[in-house]
Amino acid sequence: GEDVEQSLFLSVREGDSSVINCTYTDSSSTYLYWYKQEPGAGLQLLTYIFSNMDMKQDQRLTVLLNKKDKHLSLRIADTQTGDSAIYFCAENAGNMLTFGGGTRLMVKP
Amino acid sequence: KAGVTQTPRYLIKTRGQQVTLSCSPISGHRSVSWYQQTPGQGLQFLFEYFSETQRNKGNFPGRFSGRQFSNSRSEMNVSTLELGDSALYLCASSSGPRGVTTNEKLFFGSGTQLSVL
Repeated sequence: GEDVEQSLFLSVREGDSSVINCTYTDSSSTYLYWYKQEPGAGLQLLTYIFSNMDMKQDQRLTVLLNKKDKHLSLRIADTQTGDSAIYFCAENAGNMLTFGGGTRLMVKP
Repeated sequence: KAGVTQTPRYLIKTRGQQVTLSCSPISGHRSVSWYQQTPGQGLQFLFEYFSETQRNKGNFPGRFSGRQFSNSRSEMNVSTLELGDSALYLCASSSGPRGVTTNEKLFFGSGTQLSVL
């Protein structure tokens, strides 16, 4: 199984906020990432956070990092139907990225 | 600037055959990484090449190999295919010198979907 864990599925209504959670294991990770994958496509880097930060905001995206609990979250404000995709968190450990299993976000109109 | 290009997009092979997948990184990028994506195991790191040298390797059997050319293009090869090798193979490039322990970002291609029958 993965060392980085995410819930499998999240369903929200258009216009609501979405919060996708992730727990990771390697406390030496210097960067943590969020990627988005749409059907039939590769992974698109959405945002990342340096491990000495608690929060990072990038337009509709807010990343929160709790190093003590090794917990990472991605909040998407005003979620749109175009945000429907699979979201992966990843940590850099051992000079490679370790990905979570992905959270499928479904946005209902 | 063109993105990461992977060819072919789809492949169908039979057990025991071998396959070669190709990846052209973003112009100027010198690092290429390969990942395997399956519904059961998720995304798993295969290997990374930088300046024609394998810099990192994941936990895959020796049937999986790769190489990088002087123009940074990379190929991966899987020999003696097994049913379990059916997956989406993703290539990612980055500028390269310091690797993902720093802030170098990975840019992914759309992948090659390999089906082994």
